[in-house]
Amino acid sequence: SQTIHQWPATLVQPVGSPLSLECTVEGTSNPNLYWYRQAAGRGLQLLFYSVGIGQISSEVPQNLSASRPQDRQFILSSKKLLLSDSGFYLCAYQKPFRGWTEAFFGQGTRLTVV
Amino acid sequence: KNEVEQSPQNLTAQEGEFITINCSYSVGISALHWLQQHPGGGIVSLFMLSSGKKKHGRLIATINIQEKHSSLHITASHPRDSAVYICAVFYNTDKLIFGTGTRLQVFP
Repeated sequence: SQTIHQWPATLVQPVGSPLSLECTVEGTSNPNLYWYRQAAGRGLQLLFYSVGIGQISSEVPQNLSASRPQDRQFILSSKKLLLSDSGFYLCAYQKPFRGWTEAFFGQGTRLTVV
Repeated sequence: KNEVEQSPQNLTAQEGEFITINCSYSVGISALHWLQQHPGGGIVSLFMLSSGKKKHGRLIATINIQEKHSSLHITASHPRDSAVYICAVFYNTDKLIFGTGTRLQVFP
């Protein structure tokens, strides 16, 4: 079966500290991987997506970066967090297919920058 | 204007009521997702559809590609249906554009 793991579930970090959120996928190979952010009262916004190892596309310029060191691992990072980085971060994947396939989501990480 | 609009933003209902949540979009799409987000934040996929109608238990989703509109219906609503329901459209096959969600509360 296919599963997606995302951790940690909650995180409180001071302004200026680094960030590393990890997402791993099981049961599928060469997935398309995504990082989304949901700010309070707003919809989900695509931050980064990756179609393969080392291939990262950024949708929104910001204080964050993403990396894909392995096929089923996607990491969201920041060198110095800002207050505006607070929000709910979701990792998702889609199986590669010509066309569209269902998206599967992790449980999310609620980040509070203080 | 958002590319994906949902209505209503908030919805309260009594247990047993029939519920409808609407989604309109302005971009050309290949498919549409209905998602459910529970208070803890985790998201589960309810439906993915590109035409017609799908049914799963008490949930029914319809889509009209020509009118760029989809609806999610819940029959015989229950308090456990309380959640945020999100419409998302597939744009360029591999990118999702999300609506801001409809917060549903069902009271016993």
